Amino acid sequence: GAVVSQHPSWVICKSGTSVKIECRSLDFQATTMFWYRQFPKQSLMLMATSNEGSKATYEQGVEKDKFLINHASLTLSTLTVTSAHPEDSSFYICSARDAGQGRDIQYFGAGTRLSVL
Amino acid sequence: AQTVTQSQPEMSVQEAETVTLSCTYDTSESNYYLFWYKQPPSRQMILVIRQEAYKQQNATENRFSVNFQKAAKSFSLKISDSQLGDTAMYFCAGRMDSSYKLIFGSGTRLLVRP
Repeated sequence: GAVVSQHPSWVICKSGTSVKIECRSLDFQATTMFWYRQFPKQSLMLMATSNEGSKATYEQGVEKDKFLINHASLTLSTLTVTSAHPEDSSFYICSARDAGQGRDIQYFGAGTRLSVL
Repeated sequence: AQTVTQSQPEMSVQEAETVTLSCTYDTSESNYYLFWYKQPPSRQMILVIRQEAYKQQNATENRFSVNFQKAAKSFSLKISDSQLGDTAMYFCAGRMDSSYKLIFGSGTRLLVRP
């Protein structure tokens, strides 16, 4: 299957600092990417839809000023957690939609574990 | 409202045997996609199998197959000849509108016993 690269895999930061997470589609172009948050032993919760060249669409209850999303190219979306606090500690996962040749499949990155001290 | 429901929080199967994971969904759309994803302890989400609603034939991928019952809105996953590496969390998901969003079920934790 297609490969989606997500970096970093683990980040520890101090409260009040900002953290950027990158999501890249390595062998296909993705006009649409998604950012999820996953709490321990729970399902994935969609945070926002990232659209290349336009503003992200946030799910209800997700603070757009805290979770900044930029989708500057067809292969890269970034999520920046601004002024991170301990309650932002979580596992963040991105996915990229492969819509080539009639496909409609989301491939996932390996996730980023964020720990805010 | 579009929903995906997995009613089995945990399942266990002996190695080499067959296990079926259940999933039901609800949508008013006529055309949609259904998926099963696997999340092993590494937490990397892996696509297991995909079904397009307009196709009546059940999808199969090696040891994995689905039983897609469109009228009943049921989409179960059958794993044959279970292997230790199949131990993981399994999520059923649906893409049921033009937003391309995936709606996930709550997951089923599968343990394959040696």
